[in-house]
Amino acid sequence: KQEVTQIPAALSVPEGENLVLNCSFTDSAIYNLQWFRQDPGKGLTSLLLIQSSQREQTSGRLNASLDKSSGRSTLYIAASQPGDSATYLCAVRPVLPASNAGGTSYGKLTFGQGTILTVHP
Amino acid sequence: KAGVTQTPRYLIKTRGQQVTLSCSPISGHRSVSWYQQTPGQGLQFLFEYFSETQRNKGNFPGRFSGRQFSNSRSEMNVSTLELGDSALYLCASTLEGSSPLHFGNGTRLTVT
Repeated sequence: KQEVTQIPAALSVPEGENLVLNCSFTDSAIYNLQWFRQDPGKGLTSLLLIQSSQREQTSGRLNASLDKSSGRSTLYIAASQPGDSATYLCAVRPVLPASNAGGTSYGKLTFGQGTILTVHP
Repeated sequence: KAGVTQTPRYLIKTRGQQVTLSCSPISGHRSVSWYQQTPGQGLQFLFEYFSETQRNKGNFPGRFSGRQFSNSRSEMNVSTLELGDSALYLCASTLEGSSPLHFGNGTRLTVT
């Protein structure tokens, strides 16, 4: 059974710092890994998707890396801003998307518990 | 392109009642999944529908059910509500396996 762990559970930093959020997973047989952010009371916003064959993905100040063999991914946020304050979640999609009803399942992800990030001015 | 839309945003129900939540996926997405989010358990997969067929199901009791219509819109139903069903219910849609999952803003269900 896939388990996803995120460290640290919470992080508080001053504005302008570069920071790293960690995600580890127990089963390296993944199809891809996705990072999300969630603002209080809201849904999840997709940040980056890394396919299992990729090593990293970048979007603006965000960079996500993936080391499938060691079961780890990191999300790097450069020059943090107060607007980055949110909960960050990583989720993995299995390599053979499990389907128990025929056809291929695309929508089942296993999530970590998240890292609550606070960036103070 | 419009995102994933969920209605209603908030619901308050009494134990024993039933509830129906609605989700409209991104145009062109045929895969719709539902998740339950609680402070204690985090995000847990409920089920997934693709072209009106249930493709996958999580470990939830039979009181939780869903369906998908020919226009890919989906509904989930919870019968005989319990206090523990209070949660944020999130709907997500995707194009296929190598595409990202996109989530709606959720429906906050409170059972009293």
